[in-house]
Amino acid sequence: KAGVTQTPRYLIKTRGQQVTLSCSPISGHRSVSWYQQTPGQGLQFLFEYFSETQRNKGNFPGRFSGRQFSNSRSEMNVSTLELGDSALYLCASSREGGDRPGNTIYFGEGSWLTVV
Amino acid sequence: GQQLNQSPQSMFIQEGEDVSMNCTSSSIFNTWLWYKQEPGEGPVLLIALYKAGELTSNGRLTAQFGITRKDSFLNISASIPSDVGIYFCAAPLNAGNNRKLIWGLGTSLAVNP
Repeated sequence: KAGVTQTPRYLIKTRGQQVTLSCSPISGHRSVSWYQQTPGQGLQFLFEYFSETQRNKGNFPGRFSGRQFSNSRSEMNVSTLELGDSALYLCASSREGGDRPGNTIYFGEGSWLTVV
Repeated sequence: GQQLNQSPQSMFIQEGEDVSMNCTSSSIFNTWLWYKQEPGEGPVLLIALYKAGELTSNGRLTAQFGITRKDSFLNISASIPSDVGIYFCAAPLNAGNNRKLIWGLGTSLAVNP
């Protein structure tokens, strides 16, 4: 079955611009999470959506936002881009909530964002 | 942000050697996860541990959930060139929610054929 698909894979933006990244989860998965990955900070949790509702949120400023659609696809938006926002943005999906065997989290290949 | 303490930061080994890496935290977790990330790819789950003391294998990989629930170990036996990548440990920040993960900074593994 198709994996987690993220678009675009690579993009370059200028400081002050905004960007929207898209994620299509694995079919049947209702939970979508977003992570920011940088060399210095590693993977940092941004937020998680389940059935179109934000269930968890990391410690990122309000410039980072997201949403989930009825088909479970998700988008994240970063407004007023800063140089420090340059990173790999990873989307992950899982079937449902809960910390138990079988609810594996699958990651997409990520969207590489460079802010210049 | 919050992170797990993962070591070593990097390893350069000869093909055929065994590899060990570990992850520690001051917090107790109910789940430990080990992922591998290759260049240009997202992390891929290798092993998931759900019980303190649990020892689980996946081919040449073996991981253990520490008895104290504050640490975990990953071993790779008889390494091969395709083992190259960055290995991450991860754990759910809140019990009952394994979607909000915190991560180690990774162990970068290079294998010399």
